[in-house]
Amino acid sequence: GENVEQHPSTLSVQEGDSAVIKCTYSDSASNYFPWYKQELGKRPQLIIDIRSNVGEKKDQRIAVTLNKTAKHFSLHITETQPEDSAVYFCAASPSNDYKLSFGAGTTVTVRA
Amino acid sequence: DTAVSQTPKYLVTQMGNDKSIKCEQNLGHDTMYWYKQDSKKFLKIMFSYNNKELIINETVPNRFSPKSPDKAHLNLHINSLELGDSAVYFCASSDSGGAHEQYFGPGTRLTVT
Repeated sequence: GENVEQHPSTLSVQEGDSAVIKCTYSDSASNYFPWYKQELGKRPQLIIDIRSNVGEKKDQRIAVTLNKTAKHFSLHITETQPEDSAVYFCAASPSNDYKLSFGAGTTVTVRA
Repeated sequence: DTAVSQTPKYLVTQMGNDKSIKCEQNLGHDTMYWYKQDSKKFLKIMFSYNNKELIINETVPNRFSPKSPDKAHLNLHINSLELGDSAVYFCASSDSGGAHEQYFGPGTRLTVT
C-alpha cells in the first residue's frame, strides 16, 4: 500500500516569512495529492490539491509542487500570517482507489 | 447548512461499555469514511463505505463495527471500550474514489476512563 512521509513534524516561522512542508510517497500509481489544514480543535479541511498531470498549482499565498519522478510533493506558504498556524497534512491516492493515505502532519506556528 | 455532522461531539465513558457514534452527510456523496485521530494527531483510516458497501476495512479490532443504513449515514459502534480507544473520531464523505475532496465532520472526542 501507499506510504506517505512528511517533514518536518514541527515548523516555526516569523510572520511574513515563507513555510515549506515536504512529502514523499511510495506508490507510483498515486496521482492525486491533496493538502489538508487542521486548526486546533477543528476538522481537517482541504486547502489545495494537485493531480499528476500538473507540476505546480497556486492559490493566493499557497502553492503545491509535484515531482512524479522523485515521488515527492511540497506545500509552500508565502507571507505567513498568524491564522496560518495549524497542523497541515499531505496525502496521496491513486484515482481508482478509495483510500487516501495521510502523512503524519506538520504543526506550523507563525510567530507574531 | 451542515455538510457532515456527527453526534455526539463529546463522549466520556468507562472501560467495558458499548457506545455508538452517528454520522450524516447532506452533500449527496456516495462514499463515507471513519478516521481515528490519536493524541499525536495522526489520521488513520478505519473504514469506508461506497453506496452502503464496505470497501475499506483496515486493521481494526472487531470490537468496532460500522453500519451504513443508506448513502447519507454511516454509524460506528464500539463494543467493550478500552483505554486505547480514547481519540477523536472523524467521519468524512466524498464522491466516489480516492481522488476527490473528503469533507470531514466536526469529530467526536471519545474519552474512556
